[in-house]
Amino acid sequence: AQSVTQPDIHITVSEGASLELRCNYSYGATPYLFWYVQSPGQGLQLLLKYFSGDTLVQGIKGFEAEFKRSQSSFNLRKPSVHWSDAAEYFCAVGAARALTFGSGTRLQVQP
Amino acid sequence: DTEVTQTPKHLVMGMTNKKSLKCEQHMGHRAMYWYKQKAKKPPELMFVYSYEKLSINESVPSRFSPECPNSSLLNLHLHALQPEDSALYLCASSQGGRTPYEQYFGPGTRLTVT
Repeated sequence: AQSVTQPDIHITVSEGASLELRCNYSYGATPYLFWYVQSPGQGLQLLLKYFSGDTLVQGIKGFEAEFKRSQSSFNLRKPSVHWSDAAEYFCAVGAARALTFGSGTRLQVQP
Repeated sequence: DTEVTQTPKHLVMGMTNKKSLKCEQHMGHRAMYWYKQKAKKPPELMFVYSYEKLSINESVPSRFSPECPNSSLLNLHLHALQPEDSALYLCASSQGGRTPYEQYFGPGTRLTVT
């Protein structure tokens, strides 16, 4: 069965600093990988996805993620964080008709 | 348009009440999902409808009853809920088929069971 690990429960960065959120997955075949963001009390918004091809994928809001098969990782990055990026971030792997989510990383942004 | 709508936004119900949550999408998607999300936790899959047929039921108690009247609509009927069922209920949709395409989520219904 597939699984996703997000090792960092909570991360605090200063506004304008760079960001990297870690995600490790376990899946027997080629994974379909996703990053979602959730603001408090809201639904999940898709940031980006990886299905195949170029291992560096660009998403919305200036986010990008890199798929590294050898490390079973799909880390999310942003070069310069804005205060509005404060939210919960979920990495997910798709299999059959379902998504398996990681436990999430809460991002705090300091002024 | 990548919008999934859900009504109501908030719902408070007693343990003897019957209520329904509604979800709608107009993206032509053929798969629709119900998730339950507790505070500070990831969404937990409850049900999956594929081409208007229930394809996954994650051992959800029978007090939750899903319905898919057509390819655009998804309902979740609630009856005799327990206080521990209080949560954010999220609906999502995707293209459908065996490929796990991205899912688009609605804003959720915040349910409180008293």
